[in-house]
Amino acid sequence: NAGVTQTPKFQVLKTGQSMTLQCAQDMNHNSMYWYRQDPGMGLRLIYYSASEGTTDKGEVPNGYNVSRLNKREFSLRLESAAPSQTSVYFCASSEWDRGLSVDTQYFGPGTRLTVL
Amino acid sequence: GDSVTQMEGPVTLSEEAFLTINCTYTATGYPSLFWYVQYPGEGLQLLLKATKADDKGSNKGFEATYRKETTSFHLEKGSVQVSDSAVYFCALTTSGGYNKLIFGAGTRLAVHP
Repeated sequence: NAGVTQTPKFQVLKTGQSMTLQCAQDMNHNSMYWYRQDPGMGLRLIYYSASEGTTDKGEVPNGYNVSRLNKREFSLRLESAAPSQTSVYFCASSEWDRGLSVDTQYFGPGTRLTVL
Repeated sequence: GDSVTQMEGPVTLSEEAFLTINCTYTATGYPSLFWYVQYPGEGLQLLLKATKADDKGSNKGFEATYRKETTSFHLEKGSVQVSDSAVYFCALTTSGGYNKLIFGAGTRLAVHP
C-alpha cells in the first residue's frame, strides 16, 4: 500500500513555462486535495475534488487548474508559471469515517517547485 | 473565519525533556482537531486527532486533549528524543460542506542530545 504518491519530487521551471504535477492514491478515497506550503504560512488549499468528476476552488486557486482523471488520480497544472508559484506542493486524499464522524486527510511526500 | 494559532518556534529542547506545543483555535460549530508532523524533506504525517470535546488523542508518546472551554489542543510529550525533531502542525476541520482542513503556521522542534 503506497498511500499517496506524487511526481516529480523536484522541478525547476522558467517563468512562463507550463507543467503538470501528478498525484495518485491507492486507498480508494473519494476526496483529493492540492495544497501549497510556504514558509511561515502552514498549508493553503489550492483545489479539491470531493468525488470523481467534481472539482472546486480552495483558498488560493489563481494560476492553477486541476483534473480529476479518475478516482485514483488528481493532477495540478500550472499553465504559465510565475516566481510566486515557487513552493512545495502537497497532494492529499481522505475518506469520511462514519464511526468517528471525521474526515482524515493523508498526504503525499510533496513536490518542490522552483520558478526562475 | 475559522483559524488555528500555534506557538512560534523554534522550540529547542534537550533529549528527555518535557514538550508542550500550544495550539488554540477559532471555529464555528464543532470542529475535529489534528496534529500533523513533518520530518525534514518529507510530507505531513497524521500524528493524532480528536473529534469531540474532552477527547484525548495519543500516538508515539504524544498526547493532546480537545478543550472546548479554552478552545485549545496543546501537544505534549513526557520525554522527547532526537528523532522527534520535526515541524508540528495543528489543524482543524470545519463542519458542513467539504472537508476543509485549516492549518496553523507550524512549530519547529529541535531536540539535542
